[in-house]
Amino acid sequence: QSALTQPRSVSGSPGQSVTISCTGTSSDVGRYNSVSWYQQHPGKAPKLIIYDVDKWPSGVPDRFSGSKSGNTASLTISGLQAEDEADYYCCSYAGTYIPYLFGTGTNVAVL
Amino acid sequence: EVQLEQSGAEVKKPGESLKISCTNSGYSVNNYWLGWVRQMPGKGLEWVALISLVGSDTRVSPSFEGRVTISADHSISTAYLQWSSLRVSDTAMYYCARRPAITASPFDSWGHGTLVTVSS
Repeated sequence: QSALTQPRSVSGSPGQSVTISCTGTSSDVGRYNSVSWYQQHPGKAPKLIIYDVDKWPSGVPDRFSGSKSGNTASLTISGLQAEDEADYYCCSYAGTYIPYLFGTGTNVAVL
Repeated sequence: EVQLEQSGAEVKKPGESLKISCTNSGYSVNNYWLGWVRQMPGKGLEWVALISLVGSDTRVSPSFEGRVTISADHSISTAYLQWSSLRVSDTAMYYCARRPAITASPFDSWGHGTLVTVSS
């Protein structure tokens, strides 16, 4: 099973909003409401920021929001801040034998 | 405080064996599984394997089947990832991460990573 498809990079100015897409298939993103998003700063471990498409773990600001339509999930960062500059990965459940299918990753640059 | 303490960086030669570890503390392992995620240099995240910290259930990604072995010592809440014969292409950062013992749960806490370098 191939990795989920994300844009290589997106950018925005402080205060703006950016949206990252995550495209899968009817066997993963389209089939299950188990899409999560991870933020990874350079040299650091990933951090969970969205799970089950649109839920926030404790401590994650609501500037981060998730959604899904068909085979594509999206992460929107509103009110972009300098600290949001990082790599972002989506991840979908794809069944018992492939419980985690990650996306290709998107670098967010704050101009 | 939830802690996933991973073993230190390793430098190995092709063909050598290796076992890295991830010790869990600060929470009840009864309700969690532990996974391993690979990140090759400059690349994205790839799920490797998953293991229950209280039972014997395991899952290995088809992409890694036959290449790695996942195991656990429940008495010390530690999970392991093992190779019998390393390749240069195994060079990567390996993260351990926990997930609730509910199907399709996300990885909600991560270790700092173990860098594995395989070079002749």
